[in-house]
Order: sequence, then C-alpha cells, then structure tokens
Amino acid sequence: EIVLTQSPATLSLSPGERATLSCRASQSVSNNLAWYQQKPGQAPRLLIYDASSRATGAPARFSGSGSGTDFTLTISGLEPEDFAVYYCQQRSNPITFGQGTRLEIK
Amino acid sequence: EVQLVESGGVLVQPGRSLRLSCAVSGFTLDDYAMHWVRQAPGKGLEWVSGISWKSGSIGYADSVKGRFTISRDNAKNSLYLQMNSLRAEDTALYYCTKDILITMSYYMDVWGKGTTVTVSS
Repeated sequence: EIVLTQSPATLSLSPGERATLSCRASQSVSNNLAWYQQKPGQAPRLLIYDASSRATGAPARFSGSGSGTDFTLTISGLEPEDFAVYYCQQRSNPITFGQGTRLEIK
Repeated sequence: EVQLVESGGVLVQPGRSLRLSCAVSGFTLDDYAMHWVRQAPGKGLEWVSGISWKSGSIGYADSVKGRFTISRDNAKNSLYLQMNSLRAEDTALYYCTKDILITMSYYMDVWGKGTTVTVSS
C-alpha cells in the first residue's frame, strides 16, 4: 500500500498570503495524484487531478505540481473561503489518501 | 444540477447487514464509474469501493473485501453498497462519489452529502 504523508499538519496563514502544501508518497505514483478540499460539515471537493490539472470549477489560484513521490498544492493569494482541510489522494490500487493538512486563519 | 443523494445509514448492531443507496440526478449514470468513500468521525478519507460503468470492473479496499458488495442499476439511476458482517470500525459517514471517467480513474469530482452508519451494540 502506498502511504501518502502530508505536511505540515496545520498551516496558519493570513488572507492574501501564499499557501504551499506538501504530499509525499512512499513510492512513485508518477503523476497519478489528486488534491481535495474539505470544509467543516461539507463533502470533499476535487481541486486538482493528474498532479497539475485543475478540475472544472476550481479557481485559478489553485495549482498543483510534482511527480514521482513529491507533490505540492499551491494557493496563490488566500481567500477567506480557502481555509479548510486539504487531502491528497493517489490512484494505484489500493487507493489511499493522505492524513490531511488543516489550513487555518492566522 | 448534478446531485448524489445517499440513504440507508442507521445505527446497527455488530454482525448485522445494511444496504446503502445513492440516487443520482443531473447526469447519465451509464457514462461514469462510481465509488463509495467513507470518513470515520473526526478522521480522514478512506476509499471503500468502486465500479465501472457496466459493472465490468469492481474494486474494494482490503478492509471491506469479502464483506461489502457494490452494485449499480443504471436504469434506476442508482448505486448501492451491501454491507455484511458489520464491525465497529465500519462506523463512518459514507459518501457516494462520481468518477471523472466511464472507467475507474479513481478521481472523484462529484460527492453526495453522505449517510451515517453507526455500528454499535
């Protein structure tokens, strides 16, 4: 099973700042990685797939990069609605998610 | 509007069975693979099972293999999860999700609000 480790566990930033979230895989997943956003009491929302492709409806301030074992989700210019928990997910069977990064308002 | 509505979640005793349903609207179910993902209280996400458009390809997490069965009825716009031999660790919010492809890409772009399963005596 491929383990995804996200860092940091919690990230405290102010609106307008740039957020950089990391996801590291225990073995190569090529570019088969997605990022999801989950707000309290809501279902997750797909932001990025194939490491860098933005999902329909995802704002342009969200971008993904990386391949192999190291991936990054960047949010350029944080909006108040961006404070949430972010999960990465890889799609080699068995499918696994990272433990999440909580992005909170500083 | 694309919508997934789960139902069937209840409080159930360990060892019993339960069937979850997901009603789909706003898109043609035949055109997409579908999945179930769960989230235990205060925890992260766990993929449970997935099924391709004509049920030709089906997958399960090791934690539920042999106990859970996924199925779909495209004519009824519905997805199902039959859960047998339930355990306390199956307690979670169960989400029905839509794949971005007709086969299983495992990328999920539409999620329901979830239905809660609680396994306890």
